[in-house]
Amino acid sequence: AQKVTQAQTEISVVEKEDVTLDCVYETRDTTYYLFWYKQPPSGELVFLIRRNSFDEQNEISGRYSWNFQKSTSSFNFTITASQVVDSAVYFCALSDAYVTYKYIFGTGTRLKVLA
Amino acid sequence: EAQVTQNPRYLITVTGKKLTVTCSQNMNHEYMSWYRQDPGLGLRQIYYSMNVEVTDKGDVPEGYKVSRKEKRNFPLILESPSPNQTSLYFCASSPGTGGDTQYFGPGTRLTVL
Repeated sequence: AQKVTQAQTEISVVEKEDVTLDCVYETRDTTYYLFWYKQPPSGELVFLIRRNSFDEQNEISGRYSWNFQKSTSSFNFTITASQVVDSAVYFCALSDAYVTYKYIFGTGTRLKVLA
Repeated sequence: EAQVTQNPRYLITVTGKKLTVTCSQNMNHEYMSWYRQDPGLGLRQIYYSMNVEVTDKGDVPEGYKVSRKEKRNFPLILESPSPNQTSLYFCASSPGTGGDTQYFGPGTRLTVL
């Protein structure tokens, strides 16, 4: 069965600190996709990144970076020099490519960035 | 503008009164899906559709029905709502199946009294 675990329920940091949000997944499929979404206080779900299981290169987008490690089944998300606007709930998600067509979300991590 | 729309955005109803939440996308996406979001549980997939007339159960389908008669629309039907269906509901669509990026609607907050 597929599963996504975000063990950090809530994290508080002071502005300009770096913060890493953890995501651990389980799947038996060899081809799958991982995602991160952001849900700001306004409630909408904003897509951040999609990564396929064959691409283990880390990705950087501005202050955001993602570390994908198949060996530990993790897809962690780091925000560098956090800002108050980063305060949100962040969800990690998993989807297999050919088998169930389902999407499995983690329970989310609430990030509070304090000024 | 490419978007997923949901209606209504807010709904308060009573136990047993049938209701439909509509979802529509204008991106010609094949895949559409419904989720519910509850505190501490994240998003859980209710139903999904891979194309017109093709639907399948997600992880929490009990108490819900869906239909996909047209590619752009994917309504969620609660035939006899109960208080445990009080939740925030999201509709999403993606170009295809197989792990494509999903784009979400704005959400529908449903309260069942």
